[in-house]
Amino acid sequence: AQSVTQLDSQVPVFEEAPVELRCNYSSSVSVYLFWYVQYPNQGLQLLLKYLSGSTLVKGINGFEAEFNKSQTSFHLRKPSVHISDTAEYFCAVTSLLSDYKLSFGAGTTVTVRA
Amino acid sequence: DVKVTQSSRYLVKRTGEKVFLECVQDMDHENMFWYRQDPGLGLRLIYFSYDVKMKEKGDIPEGYSVSREKKERFSLILESASTNQTSMYLCASRTPSGDNQPQHFGDGTRLSIL
Repeated sequence: AQSVTQLDSQVPVFEEAPVELRCNYSSSVSVYLFWYVQYPNQGLQLLLKYLSGSTLVKGINGFEAEFNKSQTSFHLRKPSVHISDTAEYFCAVTSLLSDYKLSFGAGTTVTVRA
Repeated sequence: DVKVTQSSRYLVKRTGEKVFLECVQDMDHENMFWYRQDPGLGLRLIYFSYDVKMKEKGDIPEGYSVSREKKERFSLILESASTNQTSMYLCASRTPSGDNQPQHFGDGTRLSIL
C-alpha cells in the first residue's frame, strides 16, 4: 500500500518570506508524485508533478519541489510568497501498485500575512 | 484546457433523501473519480470508473453508488443520505494514456445533510 504524510497541518508565513511544505511518502515500488493547490471555494489545481528524470521540479506560480528517493520525500518550496498563495496544499502519490489511483495527504493550510 | 463541471456548488438535503451529484468533463477522458474531502483527512476516494459502464469501489464506498452511462458524465448517488455524509465532494477525470497523467478536478459540491 502507498501513503502520504504531510508533516505540517498549518503554516503561517509573512508576505515575501520563503515557505517549505513537507511531504513524505511510503511505497514499495516506484512512484509518481504531485502537489495540488486548493484556493478557497475552488477545486484542486495541479502545481507540479514528478514523473522521472531531474529530481528538482518546477511548477506554476514560482513553486518548486525536490524528489528525494532515499528520504522518501517530496517537499514543496517557494522563495517568496504572496498574499494570493494563501490556500490549502495537497501532496499526492500514485504508482503501478495502486493501479495509478492517487493517495492524498491530509493537506497543509498556508496563510500568508502582510 | 480541461473542464470538469459539477452541477451544484452548494446543496442542502434532508436525512433519508436520495441525492444525486453530477459531474461532466469535456475532454473525452476515460477515467473519472469521486472523492470526499474532510478537514484533516485530505481527499478519500469513494468510487472511480475506468470507462463507460465500468465502476470500481474506492476506499470509502459505503452508502454511495455511481453511474456512468456516457463517457462524459459520472454521477454519485447517496442512496439514503445521512448526516455523516455532510462533506465537500470533488469529481476528477484523467486520460489513461501515459499512466502518470494527472487528474483534473471540478470546483466541488459542498453538501449538507440536515
